[in-house]
Amino acid sequence: SAVISQKPSRDICQRGTSLTIQCQVDSQVTMMFWYRQQPGQSLTLIATANQGSEATYESGFVIDKFPISRPNLTFSTLTVSNMSPEDSSIYLCSAMGQGSDEQYFGPGTRLTVT
Amino acid sequence: AQKVTQAQTEISVVEKEDVTLDCVYETRDTTYYLFWYKQPPSGELVFLIRRNSFDEQNEISGRYSWNFQKSTSSFNFTITASQVVDSAVYFCALSEERSSNTGKLIFGQGTTLQVKP
Repeated sequence: SAVISQKPSRDICQRGTSLTIQCQVDSQVTMMFWYRQQPGQSLTLIATANQGSEATYESGFVIDKFPISRPNLTFSTLTVSNMSPEDSSIYLCSAMGQGSDEQYFGPGTRLTVT
Repeated sequence: AQKVTQAQTEISVVEKEDVTLDCVYETRDTTYYLFWYKQPPSGELVFLIRRNSFDEQNEISGRYSWNFQKSTSSFNFTITASQVVDSAVYFCALSEERSSNTGKLIFGQGTTLQVKP
């Protein structure tokens, strides 16, 4: 199984600012994803982070708000731009390993926007 | 359209009781994958099981067991002799064949399980 770490683990940010979340996997993986979990809610896929190309966004999520990078097979970043209190959520990175259909999740980043 | 329903929002049991968490799914695909994840209070999502639609054999792993029934579109999860450490939110999720290459998971709303000593 892949071990996934995220930084920061939590943050409190002011409205209008941006935060970049880092996701690091301990092995090369084929697919990396970013999910959002709003308070008391389930998980919703934001986008698939594609290595070397633009991310694929789900309906309701746009690149200007959630720019994503994936410079290599083990690392990705998600930026939450121009934050508002509605962006307060847990953001989780996940990865699917090479030759595996199991999807593992990072510990999440708890974001509070004031 | 694909959908996962976990009708039980919260369940409370006393330690050593058995408990079953229900999961009902909807999909138009004949090939799909079902998952269970555990989210303890610390927040991380722990992978428990993945099952494909062609494998209807029940699975047992220690105190955990899963019952997959295509006829009722259900993939229920049973914890035998529950323990306080089982207290968590449990999510059922679906991945359709068309999405299997993308890994997109559709999650249910989750069931909060509280195991009291």
